[in-house]
Amino acid sequence: RKEVEQDPGPFNVPEGATVAFNCTYSNSASQSFFWYRQDCRKEPKLLMSVYSSGNEDGRFTAQLNRASQYISLLIRDSKLSDSATYLCVVSDGNKLVFGAGTILRVKS
Amino acid sequence: GAVVSQHPSWVICKSGTSVKIECRSLDFQATTMFWYRQFPKQSLMLMATSNEGSKATYEQGVEKDKFLINHASLTLSTLTVTSAHPEDSSFYICSARGQVAYGYTFGSGTRLTVV
Repeated sequence: RKEVEQDPGPFNVPEGATVAFNCTYSNSASQSFFWYRQDCRKEPKLLMSVYSSGNEDGRFTAQLNRASQYISLLIRDSKLSDSATYLCVVSDGNKLVFGAGTILRVKS
Repeated sequence: GAVVSQHPSWVICKSGTSVKIECRSLDFQATTMFWYRQFPKQSLMLMATSNEGSKATYEQGVEKDKFLINHASLTLSTLTVTSAHPEDSSFYICSARGQVAYGYTFGSGTRLTVV
């Protein structure tokens, strides 16, 4: 079983749509949780950290359920520029473990 | 903010030759450097972790004699792919973490093609 699992997609959505990504992780000792965004042939960039209380950054909302070892990302009012691969990332306090990513394609 | 400069951004080499990839932290001291490899449509896979002045710790299945990592200073780490083969063709990315900064700063990646 992979340490971090994500639906690979692709998710093809129209501009303005709301889209949700899910992720599960296997290491119950994981301490920190993140969503990264990776554009084609580029390095991953931090989108947001994820907290149990849930957190929001503009159109992006992330949620963590430690009991279920489940992480989510909600994107509202999708823009063309949101098209990318979204990586669910978990840390044990030292190294980062990446999911394989979920591809999002926003179309006009 | 913290910046990591990675070079080269892409390289093509002949099978059997060695390639060196450099990562430099420009405005902070990178006490720990992580080296990842990413094959097409796959996740970033951690290859090794290195702390300044110490030998790197390699992940299971990564050949330490093939992927030589040097982290001799707090601002520079290098990955050398020795005797490269076509199956080593991949996207290699470094990530640095400093003493104070909580986050991980990624280099821009190196696309290696072995022909």
